[in-house]
Amino acid sequence: EIVLTQSPATLSLSPGERATLSCRASQSVSSDLAWYQQKPGQAPRLLIYDASNRPTGIPPRFSGSGSGTDFTLTISSLEAEDFAVYYCQQRTNWPPMYSFGQGTKLEIK
Amino acid sequence: QLHLQESGPGLVKPSETLSLTCTVSGASISSRRFFWGWIRQPPGKGLEWIGYSGSTFHNPSLQSRVTISVDTPKNQFSLKLSSVTAADTAVYYCARHSGTSTAVDYWGQGTLVTVSS
Repeated sequence: EIVLTQSPATLSLSPGERATLSCRASQSVSSDLAWYQQKPGQAPRLLIYDASNRPTGIPPRFSGSGSGTDFTLTISSLEAEDFAVYYCQQRTNWPPMYSFGQGTKLEIK
Repeated sequence: QLHLQESGPGLVKPSETLSLTCTVSGASISSRRFFWGWIRQPPGKGLEWIGYSGSTFHNPSLQSRVTISVDTPKNQFSLKLSSVTAADTAVYYCARHSGTSTAVDYWGQGTLVTVSS
């Protein structure tokens, strides 16, 4: 089973600053990694899939990078609505299964 | 616009079977491009993938207790989780999984299921 470890657990920043969130896999997942944003009382929202692809409607300030075991979600300039919990998620091709990291809480400093 | 909506009992007794249904509107559930599955989140905790339709592989920690099925004429899919305990108390989300990428791109709003006598 592949374990995803996110760091830091909590990140305190101010609006306008750059946020860098990390996700490390216990073994290579190639580029099979996604990122989600979750606000209180809401379902998660897909931000990035296949490590670096942004779905339609996701602002360009969100970007993903990495491959293998080390991945990064970058928010170039934080806006008020970006303060939330962020999860990474991987998919193995065989057997076809998914797992999530434990989350990083991005809070206002 | 694709919409997923969970429904089912909000309270289940220990040792019984949790049953939830997800109704999909705005797309056909019979599309081979996507899989339809379930993810849960215990109160105050992180996300846990359960499984998706068309696959015999589910979360190994839940494998023997999970059944996911599809009702194509009704455009619905369902989750059954047997022999529940308090540890199964969670918000349960139904979600669309891409068949060609890592994306889980559409989610229901979630429904809280509490396991208690």
